[in-house]
Amino acid sequence: NAGVTQTPKFQVLKTGQSMTLQCAQDMNHNSMYWYRQDPGMGLRLIYYSASEGTTDKGEVPNGYNVSRLNKREFSLRLESAAPSQTSVYFCASSGRFPGQGGKLGYTFGSGTRLTVV
Amino acid sequence: ELKVEQNPLFLSMQEGKNYTIYCNYSTTSDRLYWYRQDPGKSLESLFVLLSNGAVKQEGRLMASLDTKARLSTLHITAAVHDLSATYFCAVDPSNTGNQFYFGTGTSLTVIP
Repeated sequence: NAGVTQTPKFQVLKTGQSMTLQCAQDMNHNSMYWYRQDPGMGLRLIYYSASEGTTDKGEVPNGYNVSRLNKREFSLRLESAAPSQTSVYFCASSGRFPGQGGKLGYTFGSGTRLTVV
Repeated sequence: ELKVEQNPLFLSMQEGKNYTIYCNYSTTSDRLYWYRQDPGKSLESLFVLLSNGAVKQEGRLMASLDTKARLSTLHITAAVHDLSATYFCAVDPSNTGNQFYFGTGTSLTVIP
């Protein structure tokens, strides 16, 4: 099924460890995003990539890095995990604007539940 | 600072009743999106509102947008248990689709 695939679904890290969250979309979308979701705070944008080869900071980029490997893949890296990064992470993609064909808005992945102890 | 505020944050309602969720935002935005999230699941797109006065309806849900008041509403008619979920609104002030700002969500529980 077409969509956004995230791996892993669950992860527990020790403080200071590093890891990379993987995201891939098969809808030929230009734009991809990483959000984190914390209780009572909605979703906050970490980084986004408007097109292959470009990345930009969002609202909460500190402690994260991203790579837009190709049009399909957008990864999020935690170099030195901290307990404050315990969250649910969502990858999303979008590919069109009003007047174009297809679906408007974001398509989200299923999420990665990360706990840093 | 851009703010997207939803109220109520928590809503418990009986089946068959009507209610409205409000989404206020602090910046100019011609577009507003509504999403639904079931517990432990991802977000699913419900409505896309693209202009002032836009109204969209699907089933028991109806969304509207007043860009002048910077307000969107999500109206629930004759609630059923299957509507229990968390509902998020999001604005796109740049109109580029590149940076959505989400509300904090409204957790809806429909009681039989």
